[in-house]
Amino acid sequence: AQKITQTQPGMFVQEKEAVTLDCTYDTSDPSYGLFWYKQPSSGEMIFLIYQGSYDQQNATEGRYSLNFQKARKSANLVISASQLGDSAMYFCAVGRALTFGSGTRLQVQP
Amino acid sequence: NAGVTQTPKFQVLKTGQSMTLQCAQDMNHNSMYWYRQDPGMGLRLIYYSASEGTTDKGEVPNGYNVSRLNKREFSLRLESAAPSQTSVYFCASSEGSLNTEAFFGQGTRLTVV
Repeated sequence: AQKITQTQPGMFVQEKEAVTLDCTYDTSDPSYGLFWYKQPSSGEMIFLIYQGSYDQQNATEGRYSLNFQKARKSANLVISASQLGDSAMYFCAVGRALTFGSGTRLQVQP
Repeated sequence: NAGVTQTPKFQVLKTGQSMTLQCAQDMNHNSMYWYRQDPGMGLRLIYYSASEGTTDKGEVPNGYNVSRLNKREFSLRLESAAPSQTSVYFCASSEGSLNTEAFFGQGTRLTVV
């Protein structure tokens, strides 16, 4: 079984500042993938970034980066230079048949 | 490029009625998934199909059945709808390997009264 824990139900950040969204996971798979998705108020699921369990480097994708600490089983999402359009729910997920966390609602304030 | 298409987008059912949610993908993906999302929560896996001809239960399969009709289509059936099945349902597809993301449909908002 797999489990994702996102301990921050809601976060506020000022526009142009960086923010870190926490994610810890538990899986018995020796190899696995970690994913972050964004869900704006319109409801669609948007893929943001992927981290493989055996990747040597932390993943980056534009303003998104992952702080991956395998020994701690954490995969925190860092959003740099926040924009108003970043306001949304953010979900961490693990595995082929994705197991999702409960999400973090991020609100970017002007 | 349509991606993952779900129909219908909205549905209201009476308790005990049945219905089928349709999902089709045009990306030639091997794997397909059905999730439900309850208010304020993450997505929970109902059923998935790793490849054409196979289906497996996810975290919350009770009250649902699925059919992988062909590589493109994966349907979800509610035989006797209950108010507890009121939710937003998402279909997704992926290539099925460890390092590929899933692509999601726009969701079906189902209300059971």
